[in-house]
Amino acid sequence: AQSVTQLGSHVSVSEGALVLLRCNYSSSVPPYLFWYVQYPNQGLQLLLKYTSAATLVKGINGFEAEFKKSETSFHLTKPSAHMSDAAEYFCAVSLGGADGLTFGKGTHLIIQP
Amino acid sequence: DTEVTQTPKHLVMGMTNKKSLKCEQHMGHRAMYWYKQKAKKPPELMFVYSYEKLSINESVPSRFSPECPNSSLLNLHLHALQPEDSALYLCASSRVGGGALGEQFFGPGTRLTVL
Repeated sequence: AQSVTQLGSHVSVSEGALVLLRCNYSSSVPPYLFWYVQYPNQGLQLLLKYTSAATLVKGINGFEAEFKKSETSFHLTKPSAHMSDAAEYFCAVSLGGADGLTFGKGTHLIIQP
Repeated sequence: DTEVTQTPKHLVMGMTNKKSLKCEQHMGHRAMYWYKQKAKKPPELMFVYSYEKLSINESVPSRFSPECPNSSLLNLHLHALQPEDSALYLCASSRVGGGALGEQFFGPGTRLTVL
């Protein structure tokens, strides 16, 4: 069985500051890892995915994440936060194929002007 | 076309009503999913269809009945729901096989309110 843990249900940063959202995973086999973003009253949009091709993954909207097997982590970062980044962020794990996604509890990102 | 569409966007129903949610994708994906998302919670998997066959049912009550008429369509039939079933219902699709990585594309969801 696989699971993900997101540290911090709420993260607040100033506009222009570094964004760091934490995700740790647990899996008995090499997992596929994802970060999704959800804006209010909308569905989920894929930000980026780890597929074992590269440990540093670049996604949309300037986000990136680094897979660290030794730390079982897949933290999401963005060098400079924008007001439009305010949303709910979910880390998720899958075994691939038609396996369902298992989500972390989510982190609500707040951007202070 | 990289879009998953869901109808209706909003639905209000009584506990004795029968209604259906619809999901459609034209990306050629052969896996489709239903998730339930309560307020301020992550999505929870309900059902998975792979090649139009139900492959995963996460112990969902029988008042929820999924149907996959063809590879592009996914329905969720609702009957005798309870107020606690009020939630955002999300549909997703993904590739299957051939090194598919589990990446899922989500629709905008149907906001269901049960009175």
